[in-house]
Amino acid sequence: AQSVTQLGSHVSVSEGALVLLRCNYSSSVPPYLFWYVQYPNQGLQLLLKYTSAATLVKGINGFEAEFKKSETSFHLTKPSAHMSDAAEYFCAVRRETSGSRLTFGEGTQLTVNP
Amino acid sequence: EPEVTQTPSHQVTQMGQEVILRCVPISNHLYFYWYRQILGQKVEFLVSFYNNEISEKSEIFDDQFSVERPDGSNFTLKIRSTKLEDSAMYFCASSPLGQGSTDTQYFGPGTRLTVL
Repeated sequence: AQSVTQLGSHVSVSEGALVLLRCNYSSSVPPYLFWYVQYPNQGLQLLLKYTSAATLVKGINGFEAEFKKSETSFHLTKPSAHMSDAAEYFCAVRRETSGSRLTFGEGTQLTVNP
Repeated sequence: EPEVTQTPSHQVTQMGQEVILRCVPISNHLYFYWYRQILGQKVEFLVSFYNNEISEKSEIFDDQFSVERPDGSNFTLKIRSTKLEDSAMYFCASSPLGQGSTDTQYFGPGTRLTVL
């Protein structure tokens, strides 16, 4: 079975500071990993995905994530937080097979302070 | 940019009533999904649908739930007899029939179901 764990249900940073949201995965086969963002009262929007092509993945809005097999991690980072980044972030994993279910982490609520 | 749409945005129903949640997936996508998110909890997979049949379902998706693609554009989730614990945000998603890396799921804005 595949799963992801997000360390820290709430993260608070100052505007302009580094954002680091942690995600560790558990998978018996090479996983596909995703970060989704959910703004208040909206659906889930794909930020970026890892599909074994490159370990450093760049996404939208200046976010990126690095796949580290040795650490079974896929942490999300952004060098400089913006007020508009305040949202809930979900890490998710799925098998390589097309149409497979996504298994989500618990989510991390990011607060950006002025 | 094409997007997944869902109606209604908010549905209030009495316990024991039937509800149908509607979704219009992205037009060239072939896989369809329902997920739900109970308030304060993680997003959970319910069911996936391909080629007019269920391809995978979770243990949550019991006999009270059913899915249907009644025409070429809509994808519906029916809950036959709603319970209080069915109150949640229900997300529809779709993905193209791509191999591996191209199979990305795109989510709709959700329907908030409140069971009283």
